[in-house]
Amino acid sequence: NAGVMQNPRHLVRRRGQEARLRCSPMKGHSHVYWYRQLPEEGLKFMVYLQKENIIDESGMPKERFSAEFPKEGPIILRIQQVVRGDSAAYFCASSPPGGGGAHEQFFGPGTRLTVL
Amino acid sequence: DAKTTQPPSMDCAEGRAANLPCNHSTISGNEYVYWYRQIHSQGPQYIIHGLKNNETNEMASLIITEDRKSSTLILPHATLRDTAVYYCIVRNAGNNRKLIWGLGTSLAVNP
Repeated sequence: NAGVMQNPRHLVRRRGQEARLRCSPMKGHSHVYWYRQLPEEGLKFMVYLQKENIIDESGMPKERFSAEFPKEGPIILRIQQVVRGDSAAYFCASSPPGGGGAHEQFFGPGTRLTVL
Repeated sequence: DAKTTQPPSMDCAEGRAANLPCNHSTISGNEYVYWYRQIHSQGPQYIIHGLKNNETNEMASLIITEDRKSSTLILPHATLRDTAVYYCIVRNAGNNRKLIWGLGTSLAVNP
């Protein structure tokens, strides 16, 4: 069972361009999370998705950021009109289905976004 | 979810046990204690979790005090590859599974 896949691993964009970060959760996992880590800082929760539903997006900036679910293919974190402050490592994680209780999250290797 | 407090950094000699403390004095009855670690530039890695009882797996042991206000992660025989930032996270057992991260403890294992 392959782990959480993220691509690209490194992404360079100029200010004002769009960035698309892709995440393929582990097989059978229906819960997906995005976290952001600014340089020299801890991880910050952004959004929690279950299948095609957004459960919690309290950590997502109100503008320019969105999570997308194509019919086929990976889940996408889309950042429009990127600014230098968006430069960070973006980590996707997934966990298996089920109700409340304890659930381990499996993390991908991250996408490192650099905005010039 | 309850807040956690960890020392910012610790050192450990290779081959010795590393004992990483975490305070979570406001923890409530349905909140789990999780430990993750992040080796430099990699994605975080789950280590272990517990509710009330002590837990052990192939990576580590988790000791939770009887009042549940603090816990200790034990790496029994630390190796250089255990050098990482270790995060203690408290999360309730409800349906919102998001993790709220603190600053963690930066563990340096020295030869």
